[in-house]
Amino acid sequence: EVQLVESGGGLVQPGESLRLSCAASGFGFSSYWMHWVRQAPGKGLVWVSRINTDGTTADYADSMEGRFTISRDNARNTLYLQVSSLKPEDTAVYYCTRDSYLGLDYWGQGTLVTVSS
Amino acid sequence: DIVMTQSPESLAVSLGERATINCKSSQSVLDSFNNNNYLGWYQQKSGQPPKLLIYWASTREFGVPDRFSGSGSGTDFTLTISSLQAEDVAVYYCQQYYRPPFTFGGGTKVEIK
Repeated sequence: EVQLVESGGGLVQPGESLRLSCAASGFGFSSYWMHWVRQAPGKGLVWVSRINTDGTTADYADSMEGRFTISRDNARNTLYLQVSSLKPEDTAVYYCTRDSYLGLDYWGQGTLVTVSS
Repeated sequence: DIVMTQSPESLAVSLGERATINCKSSQSVLDSFNNNNYLGWYQQKSGQPPKLLIYWASTREFGVPDRFSGSGSGTDFTLTISSLQAEDVAVYYCQQYYRPPFTFGGGTKVEIK
């Protein structure tokens, strides 16, 4: 069974950094591109970033380039998202999702990041 | 960036009736090499992560009921629920995966009238 389990969210102060993790199981993690998508409370889905299978190529939403860094450890079957200089508008549930080439076919339950003083 | 515009923002439909959601992209998401539209539809029920319903604009994901159908090509797309069931209450999103950033539409909330 495919599982994606995010962790690392929580309450952080503006300006701080955070690293989110997504533990993958039940499929050949190293064979899939992976994405992060976020959703602010009561709002729509916003695509954040994607990374290729070996971690050498990444794309970002325009508004997130520079503060967000996606990475992966295929030996640990884990996807990461490093976010620096957090702002209140970064408050959201962050989802890890698998790219099947046909679409984003598996999603985790998400991890909530709250940025507030 | 490709901008995805969904309409309406919300709609209320009686049980058993048809629901139609529109999605327009600011640029074509049709790949002329393979003739596939890089457009997906997702369903998100309250408190849950999104679920992929339709890919290539019109192909249902495995296990998705056939009352869900997708159509369109190029820049204009439609998701149709032919006979709305209570379990279809959700927010529906389109997404283009033709070119990064892989933008989503703003969502359409479907409720029972």
